[in-house]
Amino acid sequence: GAVVSQHPSWVICKSGTSVKIECRSLDFQATTMFWYRQFPKQSLMLMATSNEGSKATYEQGVEKDKFLINHASLTLSTLTVTSAHPEDSSFYICSAPDTYEQYFGPGTRLTVT
Amino acid sequence: DAKTTQPTSMDCAEGRAANLPCNHSTISGNEYVYWYRQIHSQGPQYIIHGLKNNETNEMASLIITEDRKSSTLILPHATLRDTAVYYCIALGAGNNRKLIWGLGTSLAVNP
Repeated sequence: GAVVSQHPSWVICKSGTSVKIECRSLDFQATTMFWYRQFPKQSLMLMATSNEGSKATYEQGVEKDKFLINHASLTLSTLTVTSAHPEDSSFYICSAPDTYEQYFGPGTRLTVT
Repeated sequence: DAKTTQPTSMDCAEGRAANLPCNHSTISGNEYVYWYRQIHSQGPQYIIHGLKNNETNEMASLIITEDRKSSTLILPHATLRDTAVYYCIALGAGNNRKLIWGLGTSLAVNP
């Protein structure tokens, strides 16, 4: 099946700094990608829909100025957590749909100290 | 998209079949039933999906009731590596639809 990669797989940063997470579709093109956040023992929560060549669509309650999304090409979307705080520590997952299903990246564990 | 209801947790002995139920009583005619699983600290993995007919692939079988109000995911010979959270999602046609995740069923396969 299709492969979606994320980088980095884990990152530790200091409070107040920004962190960029990359999501790539390795063997197919994705005009749309989805970004999720998952806290411990909770389900995935959709944060935003990333659209190639246009602005991302954010879910209610997600701050678009804090979670910057750029979908610059058909194989790459980036999520930047700006001015990170400890409460932003979470597991961030992206997905990209192919013809029949959605493929998920392995996730990025963010820890803000 | 229709809401789904799953048991919080289940246990299964290694080598036995694991039968995971899902209720989706409000599912509409054009919504598919999708199953994903998530092993701890990994991204979700697609398992199988179906509309009306039962489906089988190399990972699992999906049995959908005739009225489509419920379904069962069957892992025929569960292994320890099948320990994961299993999510049942009802989703309309079109691969760009947003997946709305419930809490899923935490399956523990025991030796």
